[in-house]
Amino acid sequence: GAVVSQHPSWVICKSGTSVKIECRSLDFQATTMFWYRQFPKQSLMLMATSNEGSKATYEQGVEKDKFLINHASLTLSTLTVTSAHPEDSSFYICSARAGVEGLAGVPYEQYFGPGTRLTVT
Amino acid sequence: GQNIDQPTEMTATEGAIVQINCTYQTSGFNGLFWYQQHAGEAPTFLSYNVLDGLEEKGRFSSFLSRSKGYSYLLLKELQMKDSASYLCAAMDSNYQLIWGAGTKLIIKP
Repeated sequence: GAVVSQHPSWVICKSGTSVKIECRSLDFQATTMFWYRQFPKQSLMLMATSNEGSKATYEQGVEKDKFLINHASLTLSTLTVTSAHPEDSSFYICSARAGVEGLAGVPYEQYFGPGTRLTVT
Repeated sequence: GQNIDQPTEMTATEGAIVQINCTYQTSGFNGLFWYQQHAGEAPTFLSYNVLDGLEEKGRFSSFLSRSKGYSYLLLKELQMKDSASYLCAAMDSNYQLIWGAGTKLIIKP
């Protein structure tokens, strides 16, 4: 249980184009999903938190018009990087959270997708 | 402010024991997580501590002292596959995870 998928696993796009990354919870309903970005040799940086049916909450310094997040259902969230530039090249990871008790008794446990490596040329 | 500190890199020998320390300062505290992350992959859950003491799970154990704002991850009988980054994350009063920068563990034969 607690499987989270991401698609695509890697993508190369040209500068100025937009890229959409999907995050799905396959065997549970995710009340909350998180989007992280990780640069080489650095830790995870939370970009935004999204709850199903409501607008995402963005962390300070993250442009909400550039990183569009849609959490349309309890099993799907999407991140769209608009007008991508080379500096947006990074490893994007989503995680999903089931609820207070998690799925195995660990409160608010986050389950991570496998990540999407974005390269903007 | 909120802060997590852990060593940047550690080296250990196959078959040995290694302890990775983590200190944290958060606004409120709802538990301490340890994750393992291999290069190019997403983090995988290792342990969760919310009460003081040691939690043992096979070759891996995790310890927490809330009064000291301190945790460690203990890895025994090290194997080459344990070479990875180990991320410490504290959950604050809003149930948000505050992440450390990770400790890169290098295992030598």
